[in-house]
Amino acid sequence: RKEVEQDPGPFNVPEGATVAFNCTYSNSASQSFFWYRQDCRKEPKLLMSVYSSGNEDGRFTAQLNRASQYISLLIRDSKLSDSATYLCVVILGGSYIPTFGRGTSLIVHP
Amino acid sequence: DAGITQSPRHKVTETGTPVTLRCHQTENHRYMYWYRQDPGHGLRLIHYSYGVKDTDKGEVSDGYSVSRSKTEDFLLTLESATSSQTSVYFCAISNRDRDSYEQYFGPGTRLTVT
Repeated sequence: RKEVEQDPGPFNVPEGATVAFNCTYSNSASQSFFWYRQDCRKEPKLLMSVYSSGNEDGRFTAQLNRASQYISLLIRDSKLSDSATYLCVVILGGSYIPTFGRGTSLIVHP
Repeated sequence: DAGITQSPRHKVTETGTPVTLRCHQTENHRYMYWYRQDPGHGLRLIHYSYGVKDTDKGEVSDGYSVSRSKTEDFLLTLESATSSQTSVYFCAISNRDRDSYEQYFGPGTRLTVT
């Protein structure tokens, strides 16, 4: 089993839709969690950190479920510009080595 | 955007030739990383550095070496390039502080080994 697993998609949604991605991790000692966004042929960029209490940034909401070992990303009111690959990142406690998921592809169409 | 540059941005080389990729940062971050990204594999860590002259291997380090003689530069060398090393290479930096951790990536180097 891979350490960090994501559904590769693609998730194909119309503008304005709400879409959610999950990411599961295998190591219960994982302590830090992030979502990155990567546009085609570009570098990954940090979208948001994921805190234990959950956090929101505009249309984006991230949540952590430690009991079931997954994190989620919810995007409300999808825009065409949200089309990208979303990477889940997990870091073990005491480590500075991140483990990346393979990413989930989102396509928002008119 | 974080000050990270990579050079060259594109390179085509022949099998068996040595290749060096450079990552340069202006952020004075302690940690630097080299990744490769291939379809179906996502980002895979090659080597990383946790300080000047302090480096360690990642999950796909075979065929690669690194050097970090100063904070701002992290070099990745392919001693004898092979076609399996055709990939997009990303450098990243971070400055872990307490429980805060974020990585910033360079624009990538697209390497083709023929």
